[in-house]
Amino acid sequence: EVQLVESGGGLVQPGRSLKLSCLASGFTFNNYGMNWIRQAPGKGLEWIASISSSRSYIHYADTVKGRFTISGDNARNTLFLQMTSLRSEDTALYYCARQGWELPFDHWGQGVMVTVSS
Amino acid sequence: DIVMTQSPSSLTVSAGETVTINCKSSQSLFGSVRQKNFLAWYQQKPGQSPKLLIYLASTRDSGVPDRFIGSGSGTDFTLTINTVQAEDLANYYCQQYYDTPYTFGAGTKLELK
Repeated sequence: EVQLVESGGGLVQPGRSLKLSCLASGFTFNNYGMNWIRQAPGKGLEWIASISSSRSYIHYADTVKGRFTISGDNARNTLFLQMTSLRSEDTALYYCARQGWELPFDHWGQGVMVTVSS
Repeated sequence: DIVMTQSPSSLTVSAGETVTINCKSSQSLFGSVRQKNFLAWYQQKPGQSPKLLIYLASTRDSGVPDRFIGSGSGTDFTLTINTVQAEDLANYYCQQYYDTPYTFGAGTKLELK
């Protein structure tokens, strides 16, 4: 069974940093691209970052480019999102999601909440 | 960036009715090399993570009931839910994965009478 479990969220002050993790199991992690998608309270879905299966190709949404870094550790089956210079508008539920060849996000984690507030 | 315009934003129907949700992209999602439309539909029930329903515009994901039908090509796409059931109460999102930044529609909230 495919499982994605996010962790690392919490309450953080504006301008500070936080690192999210997504532990994958039930599939061959290095065969899939991975993504981070977020959802602000009561709002829709916003894709923010992707990393290819080779971990060589990375893309970001303009809203996080230069502040967030996506990475993957194939040996630990773990996806990361390093978030710096956090802003109040980054407050959201952050999901990791798997992406196969020609597929969209076919499996999602349960999400981890990040609250940016003083 | 590709803008996804989804309509309606909300829908109230009775169980057993048929529902149609529309999604329009600001540019074609048809890949001429692979001859496919890179459009997906997701269902998000209250308090849950999104669930993939449809990919490549019309292919149902594994285990998705056949009352969910995706159609369309190019820039215009539709999700049809036949014989709506109470368990279909959810928000529905379209998403293009033709190119980054991947973008979602604003969502359609399906409510039952």
